Amino acid sequence: DVKVTQSSRYLVKRTGEKVFLECVQDMDHENMFWYRQDPGLGLRLIYFSYDVKMKEKGDIPEGYSVSREKKERFSLILESASTNQTSMYLCASSLLRGNTYGYTFGSGTRLTVV
Amino acid sequence: GENVEQHPSTLSVQEGDSAVIKCTYSDSASNYFPWYKQELGKGPQLIIDIRSNVGEKKDQRIAVTLNKTAKHFSLHITETQPEDSAVYFCAALYAGKSTFGDGTTLTVKP
Repeated sequence: DVKVTQSSRYLVKRTGEKVFLECVQDMDHENMFWYRQDPGLGLRLIYFSYDVKMKEKGDIPEGYSVSREKKERFSLILESASTNQTSMYLCASSLLRGNTYGYTFGSGTRLTVV
Repeated sequence: GENVEQHPSTLSVQEGDSAVIKCTYSDSASNYFPWYKQELGKGPQLIIDIRSNVGEKKDQRIAVTLNKTAKHFSLHITETQPEDSAVYFCAALYAGKSTFGDGTTLTVKP
């Protein structure tokens, strides 16, 4: 069964910590995405990547960075966690850029910053 | 950029009734319109999609319609069941990047 796996379901971190959220997909997808989901705000795109070592900013990249060293892995980094980054983080992947395919999502990581 | 509006934000129906969720989009270049279902504690899951060269698509109890001229598309669920209760998201996609609506919480009452 193909899947997108996020390393943690729940995380609690302290303000100012550097936080790594990991995402791995086993579908050989080119595209990978990080979204955050907040009540009443839907899914907002943080960063995405169409290829290894490629990254592009989404709608809300401030306070975040990403890394894609291998095709199957896309990491989201919170350089200095703040309480307003408390949220549900969703990773997704899809086939080739420019092709019309839906996303496969992971189960999400609920991050609490205290 | 693309903007997707979704209505209603909440929808409550009796089991067996139909449910309709509507979305509008702004960018005429968008060419793919998926719908996702998110159950509690899970990530969204693709349930049906439609491409811009098709007006309607059906899969058992769910169907999606697309009106490109008016830039709106809709999800129709017939004979609703309690297990249809979830949050539903529409999206519009261009060049591999999706913009999502804010979601509709559907409650099906037994």
